[in-house]
Amino acid sequence: KQEVTQIPAALSVPEGENLVLNCSFTDSAIYNLQWFRQDPGKGLTSLLLIQSSQREQTSGRLNASLDKSSGRSTLYIAASQPGDSATYLCAVQNTGNQFYFGTGTSLTVIP
Amino acid sequence: DGGITQSPKYLFRKEGQNVTLSCEQNLNHDAMYWYRQDPGQGLRLIYYSQIVNDFQKGDIAEGYSVSREKKESFPLTVTSAQKNPTAFYLCASSPLLAKNIQYFGAGTRLSVL
Repeated sequence: KQEVTQIPAALSVPEGENLVLNCSFTDSAIYNLQWFRQDPGKGLTSLLLIQSSQREQTSGRLNASLDKSSGRSTLYIAASQPGDSATYLCAVQNTGNQFYFGTGTSLTVIP
Repeated sequence: DGGITQSPKYLFRKEGQNVTLSCEQNLNHDAMYWYRQDPGQGLRLIYYSQIVNDFQKGDIAEGYSVSREKKESFPLTVTSAQKNPTAFYLCASSPLLAKNIQYFGAGTRLSVL
């Protein structure tokens, strides 16, 4: 069964700093990997989707990479802002279409 | 507005009571999903449905039941058999031909009185 782990569980950084969130998964036979953002008490919003054949995806200040063979993904956030404060979840989708979610990283950006 | 609506936002359950969480979508999506989120844990799949009148168990279906009588609706019932129901419940939907795209509702927080 796929296990998805995210490190660190919580992160606090000053505004303007660049940061990296990590995600690892145990079964490399994935269809894709997604990074989601969740604000407190809210649903999830998809940030970036990387297909299994891709190495990275970029959207604005966000860059996600995927190394399928080693079972790792990173989410890089450049020039962090207080509005980036949220929980970030990664999820892998297997070929059976089920999503497996990580435990999340709670990010606080201090003004 | 198009989207997924979950209600109520907060729900309280008494001992031995069944409660039903509502999930409605107007995105014309075929597939719908229910997830449970506990503090410090990722989302876990309870049930999913790819078409009307059909649904499959996820990883933690025990103590829950669902129905899919209409394309736009996928209610979740938390039965008295679910001994630890306190959690945040999220509903999602996706187009059948693009199941890598999931749209989430705002969630329902269920607590036990």
